Amino acid sequence: DPKIIQKPKYLVAVTGSEKILICEQYLGHNAMYWYRQSAKKPLEFMFSYSYQKLMDNQTASSRFQPQSSKKNHLDLQITALKPDDSATYFCASSQDRGKGTEVFFGKGTRLTVV
Amino acid sequence: GDSVTQKQGQVTLSEDDFLFINCTYSTTTYPTLLWYVQYLGQGPQLLLKVTTANNKGISRGFEATYDKGTTSFHLQKASVQESDSAVYFCALVDSGSWQLIFGSGTQLTVMP
Repeated sequence: DPKIIQKPKYLVAVTGSEKILICEQYLGHNAMYWYRQSAKKPLEFMFSYSYQKLMDNQTASSRFQPQSSKKNHLDLQITALKPDDSATYFCASSQDRGKGTEVFFGKGTRLTVV
Repeated sequence: GDSVTQKQGQVTLSEDDFLFINCTYSTTTYPTLLWYVQYLGQGPQLLLKVTTANNKGISRGFEATYDKGTTSFHLQKASVQESDSAVYFCALVDSGSWQLIFGSGTQLTVMP
């Protein structure tokens, strides 16, 4: 049973459009994250949330906006999509935000921008 | 800032061969070093964690150790199996933000 659910698994979008990537975790964790994996940068940290508050943002572009409507949800809205945004986006979570806590990853959403 | 370098992009072995993958790291604090494994179509999974406290981690036949003097840490396994074929990432927990900083990954292919 997957404990971190990401939807959809695959997504094709047109340049300039907007998409939302969904993430829910059922591990009872307090911290959630988004990572991106592409051919150019294998696994790159994007955002971290703790108790639904944004803690770190390593994404240069404001086109990427995380949204947390519930403690176990962290969606990712991407606007004005570009072909360079094509990547697999992984949602992750950990019990708390800290050095000793294990981070668990979902299976990812593969986004292709055409 | 903190960083990790993983130079071996691809490793091809035969079953029962010895595996050795090396990473180097840079940090200003005591490091927490990790190895993640990613199977095809899956997200990364934690394989091993090594800290200054334990110096070594062992799991599923894999062993990870680190060398503070050379700021390197490596993953090894005495006898690989075809089912070990996957991408292996070394990672460092950033000392400021606690985010994971990943190496570029090593694609391991084990031939039967």
